[in-house]
Amino acid sequence: GDSVTQMEGPVTLSEEAFLTINCTYTATGYPSLFWYVQYPGEGLQLLLKATKADDKGSNKGFEATYRKETTSFHLEKGSVQVSDSAVYFCALTYRYNFNKFYFGSGTKLNVKP
Amino acid sequence: DTEVTQTPKHLVMGMTNKKSLKCEQHMGHRAMYWYKQKAKKPPELMFVYSYEKLSINESVPSRFSPECPNSSLLNLHLHALQPEDSALYLCASSHEKGWTNTEAFFGQGTRLTVV
Repeated sequence: GDSVTQMEGPVTLSEEAFLTINCTYTATGYPSLFWYVQYPGEGLQLLLKATKADDKGSNKGFEATYRKETTSFHLEKGSVQVSDSAVYFCALTYRYNFNKFYFGSGTKLNVKP
Repeated sequence: DTEVTQTPKHLVMGMTNKKSLKCEQHMGHRAMYWYKQKAKKPPELMFVYSYEKLSINESVPSRFSPECPNSSLLNLHLHALQPEDSALYLCASSHEKGWTNTEAFFGQGTRLTVV
């Protein structure tokens, strides 16, 4: 079946450190991949997406590349800020399944000044 | 406008109360969703509406009753809830299946507490 696995958190970094949050997936077809971010007390915001293999999604300094050969979609940022502290969810969906989303368990990021 | 608006933001209700959660979007999306999120967990799908018709019910108890009055509105009617139903309820919308843009847009959620 379809599933998404994320690295366990929390991840604690100092400001300006490099961030990597690992995400791997199992898919029966050719999914689209997403990163969503959830700030405390809020809903989910789409951070970036990639719809096919080798696509790179990017937004607000965050990047992730759709790697079909390793079934991965790792999130990276070169220099994190305190304001990036949030929970990050990796997710996949298919174009023809009523957009049912498969979410990873979420990774909490704490950035210290 | 990529906004999904949910009301109320917070709701406290007794186990014998009847209340409703509301969700609205004006992005022309024809798929709308209700998710339930417990603390430190990912969202869990409850219902999917497609073109105002219920297309997926993830075996949700009947004390939760969804309604889609038109293409922009989605309601979730609550009755005789239990304390374990306390959670963040998220509404989302997206284009229908077959579109290239498959991302879902989420509202801010309703924080529900059942006492």
